[in-house]
Amino acid sequence: AQTVTQSQPEMSVQEAETVTLSCTYDTSENNYYLFWYKQPPSRQMILVIRQEAYKQQNATENRFSVNFQKAAKSFSLKISDSQLGDTAMYFCAFIRGGSEKLVFGKGMKLTVNP
Amino acid sequence: ETGVTQSPTHLIKTRGQQVTLRCSSQSGHNTVSWYQQALGQGPQFIFQYYREEENGRGNFPPRFSGLQFPNYSSELNVNALELDDSALYLCASSYGTSGAGEQFFGPGTRLTVL
Repeated sequence: AQTVTQSQPEMSVQEAETVTLSCTYDTSENNYYLFWYKQPPSRQMILVIRQEAYKQQNATENRFSVNFQKAAKSFSLKISDSQLGDTAMYFCAFIRGGSEKLVFGKGMKLTVNP
Repeated sequence: ETGVTQSPTHLIKTRGQQVTLRCSSQSGHNTVSWYQQALGQGPQFIFQYYREEENGRGNFPPRFSGLQFPNYSSELNVNALELDDSALYLCASSYGTSGAGEQFFGPGTRLTVL
C-alpha cells in the first residue's frame, strides 16, 4: 500500500520569504504521479503543482516549484515570495498510474504573516 | 465552464439516520471520486464512479454507497450514521481513470452526526 507522510504539522513564514514544505512517500510502483494541493479556509481543494514520476525535471508553476528526489521518495514544495493568500493547509498526494485513488498526507498548516 | 458543485453545504443528522450528498461534476468530466476528510486529517478515498459504474473503493463499509447519473453527477449515500461519520465530504471530478489527470474538487459538504 502507498503511504504519504508530511512530518511538519505547521509552519509560519513572513510575507515575501521562501518556505519549503516536506513530503515523503512509500511505493514500489514506477508509474505514479505526485501532487501538492492547497486547501484554504474556504475548504475548496486546489491543485498547486503536479509531477510525473517518469520526468526527471522538477515541476514549476510560477512561485511554486518542487524538489522531486525519486530514489529518496521525497517530494518537497518550495513557495517563493510568500503571499498572504498562500495561508492554507497544504496536502501532498500520490496516485499510482491507472489507479482511481489519490492518497493524501495528513497536511501541513502554513501561515503567512504580514 | 462550471466547476464542481456540492450540496448541501452543511448538514446535521442524528446517529442511525441516513444521508444523501450530491455532487455535480465539471463540464466535460465523466469520473467522480468521493473522499472523507475528518477534522485535522487528509482526505480518505471512499470510492470512484466512472460511466455510472463503481470503479474502485477504499476501506469503507457497505453502508457507504453511491450512484452516478447519465449526466455524470453523483450521489453519496450513508446509512445508519455513526458519530465517526462526522467529517467534510469532498467530491472530485476528472476525465477518465488513468490517474494522470487532475481531479478537480468541490467545496465539500460538512456533515455533523449527533
